[in-house]
Amino acid sequence: GAGVSQSPSNKVTEKGKDVELRCDPISGHTALYWYRQSLGQGLEFLIYFQGNSAPDKSGLPSDRFSAERTGGSVSTLTIQRTQQEDSAVYLCASSLGTGTSGAYEQFFGPGTRLTVL
Amino acid sequence: SQKIEQNSEALNIQEGKTATLTCNYTNYSPAYLQWYRQDPGRGPVFLLLIRENEKEKRKERLKVTFDTTLKQSLFHITASQPADSATYLCAQASNYQLIWGAGTKLIIKP
Repeated sequence: GAGVSQSPSNKVTEKGKDVELRCDPISGHTALYWYRQSLGQGLEFLIYFQGNSAPDKSGLPSDRFSAERTGGSVSTLTIQRTQQEDSAVYLCASSLGTGTSGAYEQFFGPGTRLTVL
Repeated sequence: SQKIEQNSEALNIQEGKTATLTCNYTNYSPAYLQWYRQDPGRGPVFLLLIRENEKEKRKERLKVTFDTTLKQSLFHITASQPADSATYLCAQASNYQLIWGAGTKLIIKP
């Protein structure tokens, strides 16, 4: 079956521009996560969705970052007025549920590499 | 706050030997701990999950242990192969999300 897909795979933008990143989770997965990974670093949690709702937005670095999920499926992460420090790989993951304390494995997409010039 | 610590230095192992990677956590013991593999330019791929009440979990050449006294998990790859070269991440379950270590790069030399 199809895994998690993300688009675009690469995005180069100029400082100050807005960008939109898309994630298509595995069908039937109710939980969706966005992470950011800088070169050689671990995963930085940004936001998660359970269905269409986002109970926890505390990981978003600033109010320039927002995310939504419609129909319990596709999610978009929007970064407004991009800055050079936003350059990173943005990873999306989905899982069957959040369960009790993370009993479910997460399935990751290939990521979107964002470069802000 | 809870932290996950992995050795940031790359681990070089001769092919055929057993590779052992360490994951230490602070504060409370997680109910679950997960291990993932990440290749360059790809997202992490799930390998194994171990529960707090499990001492050991195996899958083919992989073995994970969980020591709540030491607050540590060890990840072993036996009969290592060059194809096992990758970065290995451990993640602690915390409510609805995972807290991630920075990963350890494993290099298997032929």
